[in-house]
Amino acid sequence: DAGVIQSPRHEVTEMGQEVTLRCKPISGHNSLFWYRQTMMRGLELLIYFNNNVPIDDSGMPEDRFSAKMPNASFSTLKIQPSEPRDSAVYFCASRAGTGGNYGYTFGSGTRLTVV
Amino acid sequence: TQLLEQSPQFLSIQEGENLTVYCNSSSVFSSLQWYRQEPGEGPVLLVTVVTGGEVKKLKRLTFQFGDARKDSSLHITAAQPGDTGLYLCAGGKGAQKLVFGQGTRLTINP
Repeated sequence: DAGVIQSPRHEVTEMGQEVTLRCKPISGHNSLFWYRQTMMRGLELLIYFNNNVPIDDSGMPEDRFSAKMPNASFSTLKIQPSEPRDSAVYFCASRAGTGGNYGYTFGSGTRLTVV
Repeated sequence: TQLLEQSPQFLSIQEGENLTVYCNSSSVFSSLQWYRQEPGEGPVLLVTVVTGGEVKKLKRLTFQFGDARKDSSLHITAAQPGDTGLYLCAGGKGAQKLVFGQGTRLTINP
């Protein structure tokens, strides 16, 4: 299995531009999570889906952030308009089940820099 | 809010030494997971513990879940430079999302 695949690995954009991050979870995993990681705040959960349905988006910073999961094999996180404070590493993770015994498999992340 | 506090936040030791990092909470968790993250990569699952008092060993790494299922520890014996990384604990409650600690950044010097 290729694992969780994220693209792009790096993104540099100007303030005000739209940014779209992409994620392909592991086939058969029914939960998908979007995280943001910074040195100051650590790993923050933004939103997660079970069976393609958004369950908890309380971590989404503001209306500039939106996430979709149109099918079981693809999800996007969009920031519009982007701001310098959005600069961080964004991780996607998937999980095979909904119980606490199931571990998360993380992608390699997208390093976003907004200038 | 369920919080997991990890200590120490930073640890730098010499190769060959032993170390222990801690993960504490006031909440009870049904499971506790440990992850290691290397620079430029996502966290990778090391172990899951589910029973109070449970001890699991992974080569030189020993993981323990507290009897009350509120805390956990990770002990590394004879640390090696390859153990360098960010160690994250994460608590689970049934079908809910995991709660991650802030991590312990470990550096093993040759």
